[in-house]
Formats: sequence, structure tokens, C-alpha cells
Amino acid sequence: GAGVSQSPSNKVTEKGKDVELRCDPISGHTALYWYRQSLGQGLEFLIYFQGNSAPDKSGLPSDRFSAERTGGSVSTLTIQRTQQEDSAVYLCASSLDFPTGSSGNTIYFGEGSWLTVV
Amino acid sequence: GENVEQHPSTLSVQEGDSAVIKCTYSDSASNYFPWYKQELGKRPQLIIDIRSNVGEKKDQRIAVTLNKTAKHFSLHITETQPEDSAVYFCAASPHQAGTALIFGKGTTLSVSS
Repeated sequence: GAGVSQSPSNKVTEKGKDVELRCDPISGHTALYWYRQSLGQGLEFLIYFQGNSAPDKSGLPSDRFSAERTGGSVSTLTIQRTQQEDSAVYLCASSLDFPTGSSGNTIYFGEGSWLTVV
Repeated sequence: GENVEQHPSTLSVQEGDSAVIKCTYSDSASNYFPWYKQELGKRPQLIIDIRSNVGEKKDQRIAVTLNKTAKHFSLHITETQPEDSAVYFCAASPHQAGTALIFGKGTTLSVSS
């Protein structure tokens, strides 16, 4: 595709419900990232997939958060038993390869999924 | 792991002035330092990046400098324009495979005409 695609763009859910957020990276990109941006805050790293390697889950804030990437392409971020503090924009990004000293590994962001937990 | 500090959190300048945003990082193995611009309601977009084998890079009104010894890098915007108003994020990435970009908390730049 032309860019990183995320769905839904907006999601309102009740506290305690589970939500799934989808990311479709740029075709051919092996690296995929999830970041969270709370209102007026920075970009908080959540999880990173690189090819067939085990994902870096070090940024996931709790065990209610999980993500998978099927077939090396589409990724789903799942938040179980949502809490109000989970309200944020969840940004997915992809790059051709992991960031290194070489060129061509710019990270491209999607438009984000705005999650509101009421 | 990597930690990136960014200052200031907010910056207001008059049109035509210069703006400087500074970042420090903790992991001496980091070797890639991009800057992203995020306009209100939009996605972050790369505006310039620098690799550890150079000390400075310029692209028209934007420049980035890197001091690896001190582990800090800076974004310089000259002749600022109202359309430069946005949130700017710095980031750092260690060289190892399997490590994501770690971002600073952002600087909200306001350029008044």
C-alpha cells in the first residue's frame, strides 16, 4: 500500500471491554512498531517486530497489552479489560529494516487509532 | 535501555527568528538520530536525520548537529515561519538489530507572525 494503514481510526469502548487495533504496514517493510501517544504527551514505545525475530515487548505497560504480527505483515494490538488510562492515540509505524547507520530505514507512521475508554 | 531527554517542552518565537531544540541520549551505542514533526491532528513525519559518522547535516532552513562525546544532538530552524508551528520529536536508536526508536517527549514550537 501507499502508506501505513490503521483501523479503526476512532474507537470508544466501555471500561473493562477488550479492544483490537489493526495495523497494515507498508508493503515490504520488515520492521513494525507500536507507539502510544497520550494527550499532549510524547511517543511511548510499546512493542517492536523485526522480521522473524522475537518481538521486543519491553515497552508494554502491563500484561493486559499484547500484540501479534501474522505472516510478517499485518499486526494487531490487543488491550484486554480496558481502563480509562488506556485512552490515547495508538500509532503504528513501519520501516524497511531496523534503524542502523545505513540509509533507507526511515520509520513511517500511520494516522493512528484514537482510543477512548469511558 | 536508551533514554532520550528533550528540551524545552515549549518554545515560542517570532516569525523570522531561529529556534533550537536540544536532546540528550544515554546509550553510547546509539548511532541514528531522526527528528519528526507532528502537526496538530496529523501523524509524525520525518524532517531530518543524522547518522553518527557525521557531525552536522543541513536541509534548507533546518539543520541538525550531533556531539557523540557529549551524547547530545540539536535541531536548528532558521527564519522560522508560522507553518513551522508543530510538535517536534527527537529520537535515538542503538545499532543493534531488534531495537526500536526511542523518542523524547516532544517540543511544542509556536511561531507567531
